[in-house]
Amino acid sequence: NAGVTQTPKFQVLKTGQSMTLQCAQDMNHEYMSWYRQDPGMGLRLIHYSVGAGITDQGEVPNGYNVSRSTTEDFPLRLLSAAPSQTSVYFCASRSSGTGNYGYTFGSGTRLTVV
Amino acid sequence: RKEVEQDPGPFNVPEGATVAFNCTYSNSASQSFFWYRQDCRKEPKLLMSVYSSGNEDGRFTAQLNRASQYISLLIRDSKLSDSATYLCVVNNNNDMRFGAGTRLTVKP
Repeated sequence: NAGVTQTPKFQVLKTGQSMTLQCAQDMNHEYMSWYRQDPGMGLRLIHYSVGAGITDQGEVPNGYNVSRSTTEDFPLRLLSAAPSQTSVYFCASRSSGTGNYGYTFGSGTRLTVV
Repeated sequence: RKEVEQDPGPFNVPEGATVAFNCTYSNSASQSFFWYRQDCRKEPKLLMSVYSSGNEDGRFTAQLNRASQYISLLIRDSKLSDSATYLCVVNNNNDMRFGAGTRLTVKP
């Protein structure tokens, strides 16, 4: 049981390049989310999904796309990287069952856009 | 106004001290509440859920006041290993919002 796995752990992009951050979970969780964390700002929600085929925008969705074709995978795509997207990105998942379930996070992707 | 606000600290306390963190949230429709802990350059980890009746897990006690839209975390008998940033989290229909965190350093 690996939990939430994010790849890559580190990435440097040039302005204008595109890339996909991968996220996979093996806990059969229905809910998944992407956050970015910047110094002094805490985690901000980019996009989230409540199940395969369903996604929604969070607080800071511009410049990012997501899709959820399977329960396990929730990739985040940067369409045209900008220096403002330099950040640490966390993927998280949680159960949809009744109860007060918090998110389990992946170990993060540190992205630098130059 | 941010949806979830926390005192950023830092809180510097000696071992054995009791320390309390506070958090306020703006969305009165929020349904569930959590405290997370985040160590430097690591991912956040769930510390505990927060219930209206208050709940305790060892040295940690969490309280929720829905009328005042206020959440608290009390740590008793602080250990060196409690040094971390503590994040307040508020959930409304699967849109989980995080506070910026309160940094705690426990010193010998």
